[in-house]
Amino acid sequence: DVKVTQSSRYLVKRTGEKVFLECVQDMDHENMFWYRQDPGLGLRLIYFSYDVKMKEKGDIPEGYSVSREKKERFSLILESASTNQTSMYLCASSFFGPAEKLFFGSGTQLSVL
Amino acid sequence: KNQVEQSPQSLIILEGKNCTLQCNYTVSPFSNLRWYKQDTGRGPVSLTIMTFSENTKSNGRYTATLDADTKQSSLHITASQLSDSASYICVVSRRSGYALNFGKGTSLLVTP
Repeated sequence: DVKVTQSSRYLVKRTGEKVFLECVQDMDHENMFWYRQDPGLGLRLIYFSYDVKMKEKGDIPEGYSVSREKKERFSLILESASTNQTSMYLCASSFFGPAEKLFFGSGTQLSVL
Repeated sequence: KNQVEQSPQSLIILEGKNCTLQCNYTVSPFSNLRWYKQDTGRGPVSLTIMTFSENTKSNGRYTATLDADTKQSSLHITASQLSDSASYICVVSRRSGYALNFGKGTSLLVTP
């Protein structure tokens, strides 16, 4: 089975800190995605990557950046964390594209104080 | 605007009972529709995919239907179990691009 691993289940950070969320997949998938999930809003796409060193903005990229130096690893970076970035962050991967089945990690619950 | 609406927002049923979750969409051009199950504290897991030509598909006690004409899908759960308690998310993809359209989910609670 595909495994998508997110480095932390829970994170607590201070406003203004730089935050790194790491995601690793073990199935050689081309595409990787970062979503945030908030109550009442559902999942929203932050960034995605369809190849190493390639990235595309999603629906809500402001305040975030990403890095994909290796195929299996996709990092989400909060340059200067703010309280409105408190959320559940979900990483996902797929082989051909998002129309294919997405495999999600277990999520990182980030609290920014 | 490409939208996905799910109903009900939440649902409580007794163990052993059946239930049906609804998903209406306006996404066009349509590629496929997936139902995901998300257990509390976990990431979503795909239950089933419906393409344009498919009307019904079963995965164990889960049966999904699709009416492409009316742009409606349903997920029917038979003989519910406590482990069915989760959020069920409907996701519709378009025929082009990387955009996925997510519903906000239906939260199902199965009680003893």
